Amino acid sequence: GAVVSQHPSRVICKSGTSVKIECRSLDFQATTMFWYRQFPKQSLMLMATSNEGSKATYEQGVEKDKFLINHASLTLSTLTVTSAHPEDSSFYICSARTEFSTDTQYFGPGTRLTVL
Amino acid sequence: DAKTTQPPSMDCAEGRAANLPCNHSTISGNEYVYWYRQIHSQGPQYIIHGLKNNETNEMASLIITEDRKSSTLILPHATLRDTAVYYCIVSRLNDYKLSFGAGTTVTVRA
Repeated sequence: GAVVSQHPSRVICKSGTSVKIECRSLDFQATTMFWYRQFPKQSLMLMATSNEGSKATYEQGVEKDKFLINHASLTLSTLTVTSAHPEDSSFYICSARTEFSTDTQYFGPGTRLTVL
Repeated sequence: DAKTTQPPSMDCAEGRAANLPCNHSTISGNEYVYWYRQIHSQGPQYIIHGLKNNETNEMASLIITEDRKSSTLILPHATLRDTAVYYCIVSRLNDYKLSFGAGTTVTVRA
């Protein structure tokens, strides 16, 4: 149980375009989802926290107008990278907390974004 | 949240126990010790967590010192598939935010 999926697994786009990444909890309802970013050879950095039905909370230094997060249901959160640039190329990972086990997070497999 | 210190890397032999240390000398009374691992190009995987008692599950054992200033994750019989970066994280139970440090890169060798 507690499986989190992400789609797409990898995406290549041109500079200036927008890219949407989906994060789904497959067998549980996720009250809270998290979005992380990981640059090569670096650790994960939390970008934002989203609760179903409310606005996301962004970490300091993360542009909320550039990284749009929508958490419209208890099983789906989306991250849209707007007007992507090469420096946005990274590994984006989501995680989710279950409603019955709030002490752990379950991570998705990640999405590799490459902006040309 | 309290900071953690882990060795940057360690090797271990396949089939042997792997003991991964973590220092968290500034841990406070309501903070838990969590361990996650990340296999190359995948999302992190939850391993185990504990407050002050030793914990064991199907993946690993967690040994926390009595003063809670350090802990050890034990992989009882390391396999090649255990090669990964292991993160020791200290966080309050309902804080939800996980701060990932550099972790320990564990390489299991045949």
